Amino acid sequence: DGGITQSPKYLFRKEGQNVTLSCEQNLNHDAMYWYRQDPGQGLRLIYYSQIVNDFQKGDIAEGYSVSREKKESFPLTVTSAQKNPTAFYLCASSGTGPLYGYTFGSGTRLTVV
Amino acid sequence: GNSVTQMEGPVTLSEEAFLTINCTYTATGYPSLFWYVQYPGEGLQLLLKATKADDKGSNKGFEATYRKETTSFHLEKGSVQVSDSAVYFCALWANQAGTALIFGKGTTLSVSS
Repeated sequence: DGGITQSPKYLFRKEGQNVTLSCEQNLNHDAMYWYRQDPGQGLRLIYYSQIVNDFQKGDIAEGYSVSREKKESFPLTVTSAQKNPTAFYLCASSGTGPLYGYTFGSGTRLTVV
Repeated sequence: GNSVTQMEGPVTLSEEAFLTINCTYTATGYPSLFWYVQYPGEGLQLLLKATKADDKGSNKGFEATYRKETTSFHLEKGSVQVSDSAVYFCALWANQAGTALIFGKGTTLSVSS
């Protein structure tokens, strides 16, 4: 079945360590997105990519980095520069644009201790 | 800039009650509007959408009408079920290539039997 896979579901890291969250899709979608979800804050856009080897910053890109070397993959690295990294991270993709809706992964809950 | 404002939750209802979740937006031009639903521990799923003024989106008994004059897209359901308990997000897309969805903060619905 086609879909988006985020792994791992739960991730624990020590403060000061970089961590990479995986996002893979087999929907042949061109665009991929990373959102951060915090209680009472809704979803905030971190980075997005419309095509391979290209990506744009969202509203809260500071402390994060991404790459898009393959159409299927859009990993997110949470760096030690991110002041408050503990959150629920959601990856999404869309085919011909947001008009036709996003397909979301099931998310990764990152806890930094 | 573009933004979405949702009524704050939680919304607590008894089974078979009528549901309204308010959503208003601010946007330049004529955006497309969406409702997404998130069940516990999962990613978001597209519930319904409307792409122009006076359009009505509907799915699974839920409806929302795109009201340009009041910049609103309120979600309604005539008779809620316990299985409708979830977080509901209103979102807009500015219909501009290369941009992403903008989400509201979400409204938690809890339905009891």
